[in-house]
Amino acid sequence: EVQLVESGGGLVQPGGSLRLSCTASGFTFDDYAMHWVRQAPGKGLEWVSGISYNSDYVTSVDFVKGRFTISRDNAKNSLYLHMNSLRTEDTALYFCAKDIVIASRPSNIFDLWGQGTMVTVSS
Amino acid sequence: SSELTQDPAVSVALGQTVRITCQGDSLRNYYVSWYQQKPGQAPVLVIYGKDNRHSGIPDRFSGSRSGDTASLTITGAQAEDEADYYCSSRDSSAHYVLFGGGTRLTVL
Repeated sequence: EVQLVESGGGLVQPGGSLRLSCTASGFTFDDYAMHWVRQAPGKGLEWVSGISYNSDYVTSVDFVKGRFTISRDNAKNSLYLHMNSLRTEDTALYFCAKDIVIASRPSNIFDLWGQGTMVTVSS
Repeated sequence: SSELTQDPAVSVALGQTVRITCQGDSLRNYYVSWYQQKPGQAPVLVIYGKDNRHSGIPDRFSGSRSGDTASLTITGAQAEDEADYYCSSRDSSAHYVLFGGGTRLTVL
């Protein structure tokens, strides 16, 4: 079955850290760029970060630069988001999403999404 | 501009045609993709590129672009089309991805 499964979310205090994981199955993971997209409770979608199929290109939204790092391990079919210096405004459901374009830099076309993992930043 | 603007809410009578719009400077240079999200579910890709329907999307969904505005049209809206719809594009620098604020579609 073609799917993405996120894990690693939870409750963390402001200033804390978390590592989110996304495990892919059913497709050739190392052919595609991957992304993290988040959604705060009751709010819209917000793109966070993207990484090319071979990790040679990484891009992130300005307000997470220096705090969040996207990475991947193609041998493990896994995508990661390392989150440091978490703020209350980072509270959201974090989705992993697969890019539609083969062997390319990240695009804005996400053809497969996981169900998300919830991150709550609160004291 | 590095924003995409959508109407917060739109309604349509069952079986009628509705257009959901997305406006932004980056749309002059980049195609938009459209996502449907139902409550408690992950988003689903609907339309991408010039006017490509993703696999499994009914042909009542179509996309278009004119200048800085992209549109998602549902011809003959069904009850199951009631959802939030988001547009997405690259920003003008092409390094980042933008999402519109979303449009909640109600089918009456």
